Order: sequence, then C-alpha cells, then structure tokens
Amino acid sequence: NAGVMQNPRHLVRRRGQEARLRCSPVKGHSHVYWYRQLPEEGLKFMVYLQKENIIDESGMPKERFSAEFPKEGPSILRIQQVVRGDSAAYFCASSSGGGEKLFFGSGTQLSVL
Amino acid sequence: AQRVTQPEKLLSVFKGAPVELKCNYSYSGSPELFWYVQYSRQRLQLLLRHISRESIKGFTADLNKGETSFHLKKPFAQEEDSAMYYCALGYAGGTSYGKLTFGQGTILTVHP
Repeated sequence: NAGVMQNPRHLVRRRGQEARLRCSPVKGHSHVYWYRQLPEEGLKFMVYLQKENIIDESGMPKERFSAEFPKEGPSILRIQQVVRGDSAAYFCASSSGGGEKLFFGSGTQLSVL
Repeated sequence: AQRVTQPEKLLSVFKGAPVELKCNYSYSGSPELFWYVQYSRQRLQLLLRHISRESIKGFTADLNKGETSFHLKKPFAQEEDSAMYYCALGYAGGTSYGKLTFGQGTILTVHP
C-alpha cells in the first residue's frame, strides 16, 4: 500500500493556464480532503469529498477552483485561469471514514509564473 | 471562528533536555485537538490526538480547556525528534472530522 499518491509533485503554469492536481487515496478509502499551504502559513482546509459527492467546500475559493472525486479514478483539484496568488503547496488526505485518522500525500507544489 | 496559534516558529533544544511546543486554540464548541509531525522529506503524519490520551514516541499533550491550550511535551528530547510540528483543531461530533484548522507550525531542532 503506497499510501496517498499525489501527482505531479511539482507543477509550473503561466498565468491564465489551467492546473490539474491529482490525488489517489489509500486503497479502500472513500473520503478525500484537499488542503492548501501558502508560504509561511499552516495548512488551510479547502474541500471534503466522498465518492461522487462534495460534502463540504467551505474552504474553496468561489471562483476558478473546483474539485471532484469520481466513482472511478483519482480525485482532481482543478484551478482555472491560474494567478500568481495560487502558487502554493496543495495537499490531499484520505480516510476510511468521517471520524477516522487522516493519511496525507506528499503534496503538489504549484508555481505560477 | 476557529483558530490555532503556535507562538514559536522555531524552537531549539539540546539532546536530553525537556521540550514543550506551545499550542493555543479558540473554538466555541467541543474541540478535538491533534498534533501532526513532518520529518525531513516525509509526509505529514498524525503524532497524537487528545481523545486517545496516549504517549507516542515519548510525547504527551494535555488538553486544558480553561487555558484553551494543548501543549506538546517530552521530558528528554532526542535528535530524531527534529521536525516540523503542527497543532490542529477538529470538530467533535461533526461529519467533517477530517476538516482541520492547523497552526502555522513549529520547527523543532534538537542539537547533539
């Protein structure tokens, strides 16, 4: 079991492009969380998903950001028309249930030029 | 609003010395508190949570609701304890148990 896998590890985009970040949870886990870490700050919750459902997206910016966790395949965090302020480390975590221990991925470092 | 404060960005101690990483929180409900650790080149991982009342790698943390604190302590620090430590606040009884509010983190360095 390789744990939570995130790819790519590093992603470079120019302003206005789209960024797609992928997260494959621990095998058997159906709960996925996305967090963002800006420089010099702690992790900030973005969204909580279960298979095919968004449970809590209270931390997601209202525009340009979306997330999905389809029945098959990884969870995707999509950022449209990226701006320099989107540069951050994006972490995914998974759990087997809503009250269970979180397992974190290694993160994707997004750099917007 | 929920908030977690770790007042020390950096903390240095010598091997064998006691160490205390401070964490204060603000939350109007019944809190769930956690400590997460990230060792060099490794993933963020759970160190301990207050409901377990367990000691992991010699670390303990007691929830003090009066002082709204959850300080992490170890009586004798080891070099392998050097890492980034995050205090985090969860939501007891809610459906979003994995929805955590993190502090900014404290980098602990244990010198030989």
